[in-house]
Amino acid sequence: QVQLQESGPGLVKPSETLSLMCTVSGGSIISYYWSWIRQPPGKGLEWIGYIHYSGTTKYSPSLKSRVTMSVGTSRTQFSLHLTSTTAADTAVYYCARHLIGSEAFDVWGLGTMVTVSS
Amino acid sequence: QSALTQPPSASGSPGQSVTISCTGTSSDVGDYKYVSWYQLHPGKAPRLMIYEVSKRPSGVPDRFSGSKSGNTASLTVSGLQAEDEADYYCSSYPGIAWVFGGGTKLTVL
Repeated sequence: QVQLQESGPGLVKPSETLSLMCTVSGGSIISYYWSWIRQPPGKGLEWIGYIHYSGTTKYSPSLKSRVTMSVGTSRTQFSLHLTSTTAADTAVYYCARHLIGSEAFDVWGLGTMVTVSS
Repeated sequence: QSALTQPPSASGSPGQSVTISCTGTSSDVGDYKYVSWYQLHPGKAPRLMIYEVSKRPSGVPDRFSGSKSGNTASLTVSGLQAEDEADYYCSSYPGIAWVFGGGTKLTVL
């Protein structure tokens, strides 16, 4: 059974880069697309982007200029980097597996809270 | 502001049925089959409940069903149980980016 675990700093200073890692256990990242999704406090979910193990990426138009995703060399991890952060980037960040062809997210991590504050 | 509109709350007594709506436009919900629903429980990983409007993943009780009419998708929970109390989010993929609703808090009275 595939499980996902997000990890990274819980506090980021404004204007700095937010970096998170998602570790995949119980399965391989090959043949799937992997997304990052966030939820600001008291608000709805927002899709950030996805990455394929081959390196193919697709980002949300609203975040595209600040987002980079990459796959780890071990092929059991992938990462998110969000630059020029502001308080508006404070959110719970989830990684999720993308069900290809059905365009749904069928496996999610527990999420990790990231606060952008000085 | 969320792209899809959901009622902020819904409720029902155990055993009853509740329907949660998700309204978009002809450019997303209305024109695509890629509507999905997610259940969020505090402290748990979000769970996919419905995909492609009405399909249920393995392990999701058949008490959960999805449908769509025009620009509005719906999630119906029949035979409400205490464990169904959670936040529910709809999502649509119109080809560029996924969009989500603002979420509906389902309370089992």
